[in-house]
Amino acid sequence: AQSVTQPDIHITVSEGASLELRCNYSYGATPYLFWYVQSPGQGLQLLLKYFSGDTLVQGIKGFEAEFKRSQSSFNLRKPSVHWSDAAEYFCAVIVEYGNKLVFGAGTILRVKS
Amino acid sequence: GAVVSQHPSWVICKSGTSVKIECRSLDFQATTMFWYRQFPKQSLMLMATSNEGSKATYEQGVEKDKFLINHASLTLSTLTVTSAHPEDSSFYICSAATVGLSSYNSPLHFGNGTRLTVT
Repeated sequence: AQSVTQPDIHITVSEGASLELRCNYSYGATPYLFWYVQSPGQGLQLLLKYFSGDTLVQGIKGFEAEFKRSQSSFNLRKPSVHWSDAAEYFCAVIVEYGNKLVFGAGTILRVKS
Repeated sequence: GAVVSQHPSWVICKSGTSVKIECRSLDFQATTMFWYRQFPKQSLMLMATSNEGSKATYEQGVEKDKFLINHASLTLSTLTVTSAHPEDSSFYICSAATVGLSSYNSPLHFGNGTRLTVT
């Protein structure tokens, strides 16, 4: 069965520093990959998605992610983190012939000033 | 953009009572809605998938008699937690898929969630 692994439960970065959140998936066929952000007590907001084509995907709020098939990874990056980026980030994969999203465990991002 | 409204945003109820949570797609039609449950500091776990006009499909381990899902129209799905107990306290989130588009091209739109506390 498909699964998503986010190895880092917590990450703390300084404001202005670069950020990379890791995501690995386990799925035989081409996955459809997503990154979502969740602020405390809120729903999820889609940051970006990858279906096909260019493996470097640009999203909202200055985020980008790169799909690397050889590493089964879809890491999220941002060159300069803002304090407002503090939240929990979820990587997710969709089943090829369905609508179901399978979520990773999430990574909590803390931003220190 | 597409908006999913979830109501209420938080609710406190007594053990043994039932609670209904509504999920509405405000500016699009959603043939499919999903209900997730999120425990503190954990990821979202899919509870069930509901398609308009048909019975919901529940994930393994989810009690269908306890978590009643109704998807009577293309814009509304409801989740009723029946005979709630403290262990049902959780954060419930719905999402909706846009009708008419490939599911792969239409990101699932999420509600803001409902915090349920059963005392």
